[in-house]
Order: sequence, then structure tokens, then C-alpha cells
Amino acid sequence: EAGVAQSPRYKIIEKRQSVAFWCNPISGHATLYWYQQILGQGPKLLIQFQNNGVVDDSQLPKDRFSAERLKGVDSTLKIQPAKLEDSAVYLCASSSTSGTGFEKLFFGSGTQLSVL
Amino acid sequence: DAKTTQPNSMESNEEEPVHLPCNHSTISGTDYIHWYRQLPSQGPEYVIHGLTSNVNNRMASLAIAEDRKSSTLILHRATLRDAAVYYCILRYDKLIFGTGTRLQVFP
Repeated sequence: EAGVAQSPRYKIIEKRQSVAFWCNPISGHATLYWYQQILGQGPKLLIQFQNNGVVDDSQLPKDRFSAERLKGVDSTLKIQPAKLEDSAVYLCASSSTSGTGFEKLFFGSGTQLSVL
Repeated sequence: DAKTTQPNSMESNEEEPVHLPCNHSTISGTDYIHWYRQLPSQGPEYVIHGLTSNVNNRMASLAIAEDRKSSTLILHRATLRDAAVYYCILRYDKLIFGTGTRLQVFP
């Protein structure tokens, strides 16, 4: 079974530039998550999609971050403009159902973003 | 969101059992107890989860206290590949990570 695919693996940009990350979840998984992981911390949930609708984006800095999941499959996360504090690993995860407590999440390897 | 408390770090020798504790005194009746681990340069990986009863799978065992206010992840024979950050998470809908326990395994 193919896992969660993310690209690019690494990205280096200067502050105020824009950047986009792509995620392809496990086939058939209805729920998709984006997490941000700053060095030394646990992952922080940014946004959760159920099919192509947003379930929770309460932690997403909407003045600069945006995310979409067209056709309920692939997803992109964009930062515009980037700040130094956005340097982190951006993780995508997917799960088969609606985010209930007993199901497990599958994570990709992440995109490591460095903002200079 | 219910909180968990874990030691920052633990050490083990290879092939010895490891008991990773987690306190969650504010757990609610609908919270599942999940454990994930994160190996270096990888995304988190599911280990095990449970609600009330102890659970076993090929990776580990989960022992849940009778009052559910604490739990212990048991690795029966640690290997060098088990060196990772282990996260104990209470989950009803969202998966909210803390800072976890960094496990070092020595040969």
C-alpha cells in the first residue's frame, strides 16, 4: 500500500517570498490533515479536511496561510508571504474516516521549510 | 483538549523491556489513548491505541490504569530502531501532540 506522498522534501526561501507544499494522501482516505512541526516541538494541527470541505482551521494563520483540497484527493498548503518563524517541517496526514477517536493517522515524511 | 504528561527523555539498553509512562488525569470517557512515535527525519508513525482495556499488537503493548488516569506503553525488547520520540495523545476527534518522550537505546 502506497503511503502519504509529500513534495518537495526540502525548500529554502527568503522571507516575504511565497511557497507551496503538495500532499497526495493514501487512496480512499477521506480525511486529510496538515501539521506544522517546529524544531523541538510536537506537530501542531493547522487544518483538517473531510473530503474537500474544511472541518477545522482554527489554528491556521489565515492572513498568510491557505490550503485547498480539490476533488477531495490531493491538497496544497501555501504560505504567502513567508516569515522567519514559518521555518518548520510541514507534515501531511490522512485517515480513512471522519476523524473519530479510534482510527489511526498515516503521516508523510514532511517538507522541511527554511525561511532566510 | 485533555492534556498528557510524559517524561522528557528515557534511556534503555538494547533487548531490554521499556516502559514509557503517560499521565492524563483529565481524560474524559470518550477519549481514546493513542501512542505515536517519530523516528528522526520522518513523520509520526502510529504505534497503538486503546480505550479501557489493555491492548497488544506486533509493535507494543498498552497498559491502561483502571481509572484511566494513566497509561504505559511497553516495548518488550527494545532495539536500536526503537530510538524515537514517543507521543501519548488523548483523542476524541483531533490528534493533538505534546512534546513526547525521547527514547534513547544503547547497544
